[in-house]
Amino acid sequence: EAQVTQNPRYLITVTGKKLTVTCSQNMNHEYMSWYRQDPGLGLRQIYYSMNVEVTDKGDVPEGYKVSRKEKRNFPLILESPSPNQTSLYFCASKFQSSYNEQFFGPGTRLTVL
Amino acid sequence: EDQVTQSPEALRLQEGESSSLNCSYTVSGLRGLFWYRQDPGKGPEFLFTLYSAGEEKEKERLKATLTKKESFLHITAPKPEDSATYLCAVPYTGGGNKLTFGTGTQLKVEL
Repeated sequence: EAQVTQNPRYLITVTGKKLTVTCSQNMNHEYMSWYRQDPGLGLRQIYYSMNVEVTDKGDVPEGYKVSRKEKRNFPLILESPSPNQTSLYFCASKFQSSYNEQFFGPGTRLTVL
Repeated sequence: EDQVTQSPEALRLQEGESSSLNCSYTVSGLRGLFWYRQDPGKGPEFLFTLYSAGEEKEKERLKATLTKKESFLHITAPKPEDSATYLCAVPYTGGGNKLTFGTGTQLKVEL
């Protein structure tokens, strides 16, 4: 089944404790992206990757890191999480053309205390 | 700056009561418009892509239309299972394959 998977689905952590949210897709998509979703603000892009070893900032990259060492994986790293990073996070992937729809993962609900 | 505005923010319908959701956009050059459905706590699920003004797409009780300034998602004779948040998005004109999303319309269909 074609899908985007994320782990963990739920995470409660404390300020300053490094964490990684994994994202994997099995559709051979070149493009992958991370979004966060907050009430009243909608979905905002954090980082994206056009292909392996090619990443760039989205609208709200502060406090996040990403890497793209393999085509299928695009982990999101929070080196020192803070409470304002409490949010619902989505990974998405697509083929390169802008006319292709993005496929979203199931989401990771992160709470930073 | 690209902007996508959806209205209403929330809509409550009775089963069978048809209505429309609006998505207005301001972009320097439209390269498609996407509609997604999102259930609570889940990732957005792709519904439609509209490429140019005048285009229409249909799927079951949903029909999406596009003009040069806005898109409508028409829901005909809705059922409770159509309850969800509907999001529209446009590709960011600055490139990078980013999508600019609206904040969505939360639809609730009651028996």
